[in-house]
Amino acid sequence: AQTVTQSQPEMSVQEAETVTLSCTYDTSESDYYLFWYKQPPSRQMILVIRQEAYKQQNATENRFSVNFQKAAKSFSLKISDSQLGDAAMYFCAYRSNFGNEKLTFGTGTRLTIIP
Amino acid sequence: DAGVIQSPRHEVTEMGQEVTLRCKPISGHDYLFWYRQTMMRGLELLIYFNNNVPIDDSGMPEDRFSAKMPNASFSTLKIQPSEPRDSAVYFCASSSAPGGTTQYFGPGTRLLVL
Repeated sequence: AQTVTQSQPEMSVQEAETVTLSCTYDTSESDYYLFWYKQPPSRQMILVIRQEAYKQQNATENRFSVNFQKAAKSFSLKISDSQLGDAAMYFCAYRSNFGNEKLTFGTGTRLTIIP
Repeated sequence: DAGVIQSPRHEVTEMGQEVTLRCKPISGHDYLFWYRQTMMRGLELLIYFNNNVPIDDSGMPEDRFSAKMPNASFSTLKIQPSEPRDSAVYFCASSSAPGGTTQYFGPGTRLLVL
């Protein structure tokens, strides 16, 4: 079974600075997808960014980018120019490309933005 | 599109009562997922459907939980009888295709069983 580990329960960053959230995963599969979801206080789960395992190029979405290291099974999220609206829980998630469509989530990292 | 719709948003009930949570997926999405979020266990999949057919229900805790999808636009998750340990936020999500396509989440139902 796949597992996803987020070792940082809480992180904080000054507004306008850059922060990196860590995620590692364990799988024996070669083809899969990785996601970062954001959960603000409203509870809504919002997709931040997605990475296909077969792509070497790291995904980017505006101020959000990932560092995907397949051999190390590492998938970190970098948030540049942090804004107050980025304050939320961030969840890393894994999805297999071999039939089971479920998302396996990490335990989350609570990100605080310091004005 | 209105996104994934869940009702009710909040539910408070007493132990032993039946609870029914409802979900309307995004139109055209063939996959529907039910997740549960608790402090102890985090976010975990309970069950998912493809074209209204249950595919993986291995996450359903026990026989007290049941889920149905009678048509492409409606699903229910029922707990009977409810217990205090069922208190959690229940999310419904849908996606249009397998693999890397985005799962869009509803706002969740916060359930409290007294």
